[in-house]
Amino acid sequence: EPEVTQTPSHQVTQMGQEVILRCVPISNHLYFYWYRQILGQKVEFLVSFYNNEISEKSEIFDDQFSVERPDGSNFTLKIRSTKLEDSAMYFCASGHSYEQYFGPGTRLTVT
Amino acid sequence: GDSVTQMEGPVTLSEEAFLTINCTYTATGYPSLFWYVQYPGEGLQLLLKATKADDKGSNKGFEATYRKETTSFHLEKGSVQVSDSAVYFCALVDNYGQNFVFGPGTRLSVLP
Repeated sequence: EPEVTQTPSHQVTQMGQEVILRCVPISNHLYFYWYRQILGQKVEFLVSFYNNEISEKSEIFDDQFSVERPDGSNFTLKIRSTKLEDSAMYFCASGHSYEQYFGPGTRLTVT
Repeated sequence: GDSVTQMEGPVTLSEEAFLTINCTYTATGYPSLFWYVQYPGEGLQLLLKATKADDKGSNKGFEATYRKETTSFHLEKGSVQVSDSAVYFCALVDNYGQNFVFGPGTRLSVLP
């Protein structure tokens, strides 16, 4: 059964560094999403992406964040200058309308 | 904006006990409703869903019914197992299928 994959599974970075989190969505899906989950807290929507552009974003998704679908298969989330409070689990999801399939997540630790 | 409220955890049950995790929502229009499960150290897995009023979603012995009159989508299982220990998230997506809103999650621990 096809699934969403994410790499790396765990990323450790220093404050102020740039990180890129990678996702490979399910191949025939048209909608792509990023969510984050700070340890022990709820899952928060960051951004949705459709037809090669951002369709919706939350207030968390500020200028430090960007998304890209560089080659038709990968979907990336870039954090330009990481802060301690960016430490979280980041989930990618893909889907059709009304249904999203989540990847296993990337745990980002900012030190 | 749309929101989801779940009962506070943690919930601790003995094996074979009956489980209910309450979920209520606030949304405009006609959202679709979901339960996701997160096992320790893993990502989110879709457990079940319902897309319109009075629909019942079911999977792996879990059930939830979309109740528009009470804006609820309570999760139930007749007999829990130790392997059901996880965090359960109630979620909704709006009419346009774009923005998922998650509840805070309820941690379930099942003791042998």
